Amino acid sequence: AQKVTQAQTEISVVEKEDVTLDCVYETRDTTYYLFWYKQPPSGELVFLIRRNSFDEQNEISGRYSWNFQKSTSSFNFTITASQVVDSAVYFCALSEANTGNQFYFGTGTSLTVIP
Amino acid sequence: GAVVSQHPSWVICKSGTSVKIECRSLDFQATTMFWYRQFPKQSLMLMATSNEGSKATYEQGVEKDKFLINHASLTLSTLTVTSAHPEDSSFYICSANGGLAGVVYNEQFFGPGTRLTVL
Repeated sequence: AQKVTQAQTEISVVEKEDVTLDCVYETRDTTYYLFWYKQPPSGELVFLIRRNSFDEQNEISGRYSWNFQKSTSSFNFTITASQVVDSAVYFCALSEANTGNQFYFGTGTSLTVIP
Repeated sequence: GAVVSQHPSWVICKSGTSVKIECRSLDFQATTMFWYRQFPKQSLMLMATSNEGSKATYEQGVEKDKFLINHASLTLSTLTVTSAHPEDSSFYICSANGGLAGVVYNEQFFGPGTRLTVL
């Protein structure tokens, strides 16, 4: 069973539009971590955020914001006023404390921001 | 802090040759290292997990005799693709977790990846 689901395979938006990338996870652990990474064409993963299971506070960092809802097992990522440089593949990932911090990646969402 | 490097960043080799990829933790002790493979337009797939000084644990479907992993020190793990074939062409990414000076890092730090092309 897929532990992390990113239902949106590809998204295209016009520059300055807001866009939300969905992430739904599945775990039986009470202690876990959720991550978002950006992967530009160069391939290197760029860390965006880490959230632990005990902290449901939403977070905002510049144009980025994250909505963590344990009730729906979701950890969605919103980019406000998108820019062309935001074009990349975005991965959501889950790490469970009882599996030695092994990462489970979603299938990724390819975001294209059209100028 | 918590930087992971990989070398080489890209490599092209002929079919049948072996290729070694290095993964280093530069400023912390990597007690566990992970190797991932990513095919174009796909997600990262975990290949194996290695703990320093122990044999690697391979995921189902990954041939241990083809993908040799060595984690002999707390700062270095190597992945050797033996007798590489075109279907082994992929982006290989390592990650590490561990700690330093009694502090344990509860997350993985990713290397920049190595792009392997087998002709």
